[in-house]
Amino acid sequence: EAGVAQSPRYKIIEKRQSVAFWCNPISGHATLYWYQQILGQGPKLLIQFQNNGVVDDSQLPKDRFSAERLKGVDSTLKIQPAKLEDSAVYLCASSSWGELFFGEGSRLTVL
Amino acid sequence: AQKVTQAQTEISVVEKEDVTLDCVYETRDTTYYLFWYKQPPSGELVFLIRRNSFDEQNEISGRYSWNFQKSTSSFNFTITASQVVDSAVYFCALSEARRETSGSRLTFGEGTQLTVNP
Repeated sequence: EAGVAQSPRYKIIEKRQSVAFWCNPISGHATLYWYQQILGQGPKLLIQFQNNGVVDDSQLPKDRFSAERLKGVDSTLKIQPAKLEDSAVYLCASSSWGELFFGEGSRLTVL
Repeated sequence: AQKVTQAQTEISVVEKEDVTLDCVYETRDTTYYLFWYKQPPSGELVFLIRRNSFDEQNEISGRYSWNFQKSTSSFNFTITASQVVDSAVYFCALSEARRETSGSRLTFGEGTQLTVNP
């Protein structure tokens, strides 16, 4: 069974630029999550989708972050404009029956 | 609000020593799940265990064991006879117990960096 796929693995941008991350969940998983993991901290949920609907986006900084999951499969997370404090690993996860499976993450460095 | 505390930021042991990673949680839910994840240097979060709040039986899986004590809101993780390959960051996490198919957000602790020296 293929795991959660994410791209790109690494991205370096300057502040005020934009960036987008892509996630392809495990086939058949209805629930998809985006987490932000700042260096030295635990992951923090940004947004949770159930199929193509948003279940929880209470911790998503909506002035600069946006996410979508068209057709209830792949998802993209966008940051525009990026700030220095957005430097982090962005983890995508999908779940079925309560167990979360994480991708390898996309590491963002904002200079 | 849910909260997970891993008081040990870093632990360093010598190979073959036993090591226990502490996890204390807070929740108002009566039903919830507890998790442990391993994050090796490669960065991927590897699922280790999930525990339902109604099941307080301790669990052993090879060199790993978990001690769940609801009375003290703790879910500690012990590695017996540690090995260099156990070196990683370990995260304890908590989630609500929603319907299984809808998934639940995880609240993570800050992690414990375990270093096992040869």
